[in-house]
Amino acid sequence: GENVEQHPSTLSVQEGDSAVIKCTYSDSASNYFPWYKQELGKRPQLIIDIRSNVGEKKDQRIAVTLNKTAKHFSLHITETQPEDSAVYFCAASIEGGNKLVFGAGTILRVKS
Amino acid sequence: DTGVSQDPRHKITKRGQNVTFRCDPISEHNRLYWYRQTLGQGPEFLTYFQNEAQLEKSRLLSDRFSAERPKGSFSTLEIQRTEQGDSAMYLCASSHRDDSNQPQHFGDGTRLSIL
Repeated sequence: GENVEQHPSTLSVQEGDSAVIKCTYSDSASNYFPWYKQELGKRPQLIIDIRSNVGEKKDQRIAVTLNKTAKHFSLHITETQPEDSAVYFCAASIEGGNKLVFGAGTILRVKS
Repeated sequence: DTGVSQDPRHKITKRGQNVTFRCDPISEHNRLYWYRQTLGQGPEFLTYFQNEAQLEKSRLLSDRFSAERPKGSFSTLEIQRTEQGDSAMYLCASSHRDDSNQPQHFGDGTRLSIL
């Protein structure tokens, strides 16, 4: 079955700097890759997603890149702010709306 | 609020007791998912429904676990004879199934603690 690995497990950046989180997946049939942000005690919230027919997607300070050949995808957050501090999860899915396989998460700390 | 809602938010019970959780999905969503999340880990898939049909169950879902979605709207997840290892956050998510990938939206979860 699908396996998703996520790195790093923790990431500390200074406010205003960029943060990059990387994920690799094992099943070449995966074609949908969402990213979720989870604050302590709260629900995972979808922040951006990408489908296999595109290589990059941006939404304001957040961008995701996908390399299907290498089977990895990355989350980029620019101009980080203290409110970006949270746990970020990547996930992969086969087919439309099917089960998600999540990475183990990255704790992002933005220091002001 | 038209998001995914789960009830209860917290459940504390003694080992060996049965517990039942409820999930109400976003009203126009025909797919409903259950995941389990333990501390420091990502959510792990348990099972999902399309309308009232349960289409897939994870190996994580032992025979003590049962899920239903009788009318294709809300769903219940029951755990019988609870064990210490069942302590976790149980998350529900819903999405709309069509020909393309549609995002899954999560509820706040039910945190289960087994004494």
